[in-house]
Amino acid sequence: DIQMTQSPTSLAASVGESVTITCLASEDIYGSLVWYQQKPGKSPQLLIYGATILEDGIPSRFSGSGSDTQYSLKINSLQPEDFASYYCQNGLSTPLTFGSGTKLEIK
Amino acid sequence: QVQLQQSGAELTKPGSSVKISCKASGYTFTSYDISWIKQRPGQALEWIGAINPGSGGTGYNEKFKGKATLTVDKSSSTAFMQLSSLTPEDTAVYYCARSGGYGSYGYVMDAWGQGASVTVSS
Repeated sequence: DIQMTQSPTSLAASVGESVTITCLASEDIYGSLVWYQQKPGKSPQLLIYGATILEDGIPSRFSGSGSDTQYSLKINSLQPEDFASYYCQNGLSTPLTFGSGTKLEIK
Repeated sequence: QVQLQQSGAELTKPGSSVKISCKASGYTFTSYDISWIKQRPGQALEWIGAINPGSGGTGYNEKFKGKATLTVDKSSSTAFMQLSSLTPEDTAVYYCARSGGYGSYGYVMDAWGQGASVTVSS
């Protein structure tokens, strides 16, 4: 199974700041990396697929980058609604595997 | 719009089984897989498996083989997951999600149900 190591586990930031979350795959996943956002008590929501492709309706302050085994999610100019948990997912092979999540909290 | 409506919360006893439903609307049911995902309280997401509603073909995470059984009813655009021999470790929220391969972009879950809470307790 492909292991997805996500960091940091938690992160505190202020509205207007920028943050970056990283995800390391245990092997090359050839850009098949997916990011989700989950707010408390809600279902996950697709943000980015193919490492860099923004899902329809997702604000452009979200961006993804990376290749091979190393990927990142950047959020520019944090808005109050961005404080949530974020998960990366291996989209290359089954079993699909997720990172352990990053909880983004308001400082 | 795409919607996945899941069945309600379940409170069950150890050793029993439970069947969760996921009714799809707003798209052609047989054109996308349905994946199932487990999330224990305060924990990360675990992919249980997926079913192709058109063919009925399934793929399971080895960890959940023997625990989860995925089926569909095409006539009602509904997917089901049965969990058997329940233990307290099965206490979790279970999500269904519309999913599929986006070519070289990977296998993606692009619409999720609201989740079904399963509590296993004596």
